[in-house]
Amino acid sequence: DAKTTQPPSMDCAEGRAANLPCNHSTISGNEYVYWYRQIHSQGPQYIIHGLKNNETNEMASLIITEDRKSSTLILPHATLRDTAVYYCIVRVDRDDKIIFGKGTRLHILP
Amino acid sequence: SQTIHQWPATLVQPVGSPLSLECTVEGTSNPNLYWYRQAAGRGLQLLFYSVGIGQISSEVPQNLSASRPQDRQFILSSKKLLLSDSGFYLCAWARQGNVYGYTFGSGTRLTVV
Repeated sequence: DAKTTQPPSMDCAEGRAANLPCNHSTISGNEYVYWYRQIHSQGPQYIIHGLKNNETNEMASLIITEDRKSSTLILPHATLRDTAVYYCIVRVDRDDKIIFGKGTRLHILP
Repeated sequence: SQTIHQWPATLVQPVGSPLSLECTVEGTSNPNLYWYRQAAGRGLQLLFYSVGIGQISSEVPQNLSASRPQDRQFILSSKKLLLSDSGFYLCAWARQGNVYGYTFGSGTRLTVV
């Protein structure tokens, strides 16, 4: 499996954009980058995914570098409800198993 | 629409007692099913996954087992609980080939005393 590296924690002021980085230097050409988040005491929630191009949905934007070795999840206007652990995941195997790393604990500051 | 049900929400069990956690999915057929565990202050650990009825793969050797008696039913069991089995257990489903479609249940918080 391709590995991902994320900072253990980050702070962001409420109302500002939260930019969460992820390194995946060993990613293969056909592997997607997925982002999930886990709010305390809940199951993880899918946010967004991408292969090469930048992606945007109602929750976030995903910026993938041209060499695909890193990506950034952007929450454009962070709110207190965005406080969670954010996981960057690279597609795994034919059985579609997600192996979660330690993620980034994002604190939104009022 | 598809829904996933997991119960109970909380459970306190004595050491050595049996365990049975059930997860059911509605509104889809032939889903991939997964059991994860999250110990206190730890990350999510994949325990079992299933791509079809009766097909169970274990990720880590442990005191637990899983079964899939029906297409949309996934059961996590133990014959004798250990203190180390305490944690937050999450069931998830996804359509085959769609990792972005992982949907998690609300979880069961198990405390072994």
